[in-house]
Order: sequence, then structure tokens, then C-alpha cells
Amino acid sequence: NAGVTQTPKFQVLKTGQSMTLQCAQDMNHNSMYWYRQDPGMGLRLIYYSASEGTTDKGEVPNGYNVSRLNKREFSLRLESAAPSQTSVYFCASRERGGGGELFFGEGSRLTVL
Amino acid sequence: AQSVTQLGSHVSVSEGALVLLRCNYSSSVPPYLFWYVQYPNQGLQLLLKYTSAATLVKGINGFEAEFKKSETSFHLTKPSAHMSDAAEYFCAVSSNSGGSNYKLTFGKGTLLTVNP
Repeated sequence: NAGVTQTPKFQVLKTGQSMTLQCAQDMNHNSMYWYRQDPGMGLRLIYYSASEGTTDKGEVPNGYNVSRLNKREFSLRLESAAPSQTSVYFCASRERGGGGELFFGEGSRLTVL
Repeated sequence: AQSVTQLGSHVSVSEGALVLLRCNYSSSVPPYLFWYVQYPNQGLQLLLKYTSAATLVKGINGFEAEFKKSETSFHLTKPSAHMSDAAEYFCAVSSNSGGSNYKLTFGKGTLLTVNP
């Protein structure tokens, strides 16, 4: 019963490098989300996908791109990493909007030097 | 636009004491409200949610929260704290209509410490 799976769990990058965080869910959920968590800032929404084939910006989209590859997978790409993108990234999914419960992955800790 | 304010970034209680974590929300339409808990080095898990049914919502591990529209609040309580309740707690809001009902907006979190 995997739920939401994120890879990698840890990554260290140099400024300017690129990378993709992968996320997959096996609950047949329609909506998927990427958040970043920073001390004292809570969780901030980067991008979300209400359904397969759609993506929308959240609160802090600058410096990121996303791809909803299919219903199961939602990836987050950093094209040119910056130290300000050092954070813990969480992928989440839920069956529907509104009152649907959000299920989270275990997080990916990214450090940009 | 929707937003959440959690009053107190850190709350400390003694084991057996009442736990009260405060959350106020702002939403232009009737909201859905959630409380999530995060244990160290883990993702978040749902404690409870309000979806316009009963205003007093019971969740897991003895927690409950009351939706008060007049006060725009959704405070989380537990009558008697246990050491295992030490964690970070997040309040979140999602709108009840319109194109933004897929966004779930979180507060900044309250770290709960339980002292023996």
C-alpha cells in the first residue's frame, strides 16, 4: 500500500544545476500537488494539477516547472537551482477538490549550495 | 482569496493538560477546514476536517475542533495531552466553490511540546 511515493528523498545540487523530483500515487486520485516546507513558513503551494492534463500555479511557482505525465505521476523540475530553493518538498494527492483529504508523500530534502 | 492564521508558533503543555491550538481563517466562500499533524521527518497526516456538516468535528487520537463561523475560527483541542502528541500541527483551508476549490492553503504551523 504505497500511497504517494517521492524520489529522490535527498539531493544536493550546486547553484545552476537542474533536477526533477518525481511523484507517483497509486490511489487513482484526480488532483496532485507540490508544496515546499521551510522553517516558520508552513507549507506553500508551488503548483497543482486539478486533473490529468491541467496544471496551475500556486503561491510560489517562480523557478519551477511541472508536468502531469499521466493520472499517476506529477513531476517538479528545477531548471536552474538557486540556494533559495533549499527546502523540503512534498508531493500530495487527493481524489477531488473542496473537502477531499490530502495524502502526502514522505518528502524530498533538497539542498542547493 | 483564502488564508489561515495560526496563533502561536510554539505551544508547550504538561502531560495531562488541555491542548488548545488556535486557527483563524479567511475565505470569501464557505470553507472546508482541516487540521494536519506532522511528526519529525515525516509527511503530514489528517487529524480531522470540517465539511459543513456538524460544527464540532472529532478526529483521531482524541482531538476535536469546533467550527465557529461568527469568529472565523477552527481551534483544535484535546482534553488531556500525551507525550506522543508532541508534533507540529497545521491548519488548512480549501474553498467550497469556484475554480479555486482545488487549492489547499496551509497556516505556518504550531509546534506542540509536551512536558512530563
